[in-house]
Amino acid sequence: AQSVTQPDIHITVSEGASLELRCNYSYGATPYLFWYVQSPGQGLQLLLKYFSGDTLVQGIKGFEAEFKRSQSSFNLRKPSVHWSDAAEYFCAVGPSGGYQKVTFGTGTKLQVIP
Amino acid sequence: GAVVSQHPSRVICKSGTSVKIECRSLDFQATTMFWYRQFPKKSLMLMATSNEGSKATYEQGVEKDKFLINHASLTLSTLTVTSAHPEDSSFYICSARSRDLSSGANVLTFGAGSRLTVL
Repeated sequence: AQSVTQPDIHITVSEGASLELRCNYSYGATPYLFWYVQSPGQGLQLLLKYFSGDTLVQGIKGFEAEFKRSQSSFNLRKPSVHWSDAAEYFCAVGPSGGYQKVTFGTGTKLQVIP
Repeated sequence: GAVVSQHPSRVICKSGTSVKIECRSLDFQATTMFWYRQFPKKSLMLMATSNEGSKATYEQGVEKDKFLINHASLTLSTLTVTSAHPEDSSFYICSARSRDLSSGANVLTFGAGSRLTVL
């Protein structure tokens, strides 16, 4: 069965500092990987996705993620965090071929301090 | 881009009543929609897959008679929480599958969610 682990429940960074959110997955075949962001009381917005090809994926809002098969990881990064990035971030994995049965991690809540 | 509208965003109801939540794809047709439930400080749990014109496929442990899903058209799926109880209070989110124009791959677009509070 597929699963996703986000080891950090809560992260606090200073505005302007770099950010890395960790995500490890378990999946038997080539996975589809996603990062979503959720602002308080809102739905989820797709930041980026990895299907195949270049393992470094660029997303919206200046985010990027790197797929490392050997480490079963798909960590999200941003070089300089803005106060508006404060939100909850979810990593997700799904089977290749589409979005059936996407499994979400438990999320990482990001707090940005001035 | 693809937009999914979910209504209502917040609803409060009395225990024992039923509540309907709508999920609409505004600018695309969605043959498949998904309903999730999000518990406080927890991740999203897939409840069911809603297929236009056929019965929904429920995940293990989700009560079909409690959470009625209807996908009567290519742009609308509804989730009805029947005989709601306080333990049904949660954040319910729908998503719809559409085609990403740049990659051609399937894309999941989420609604803004519906906060249900059962008194």
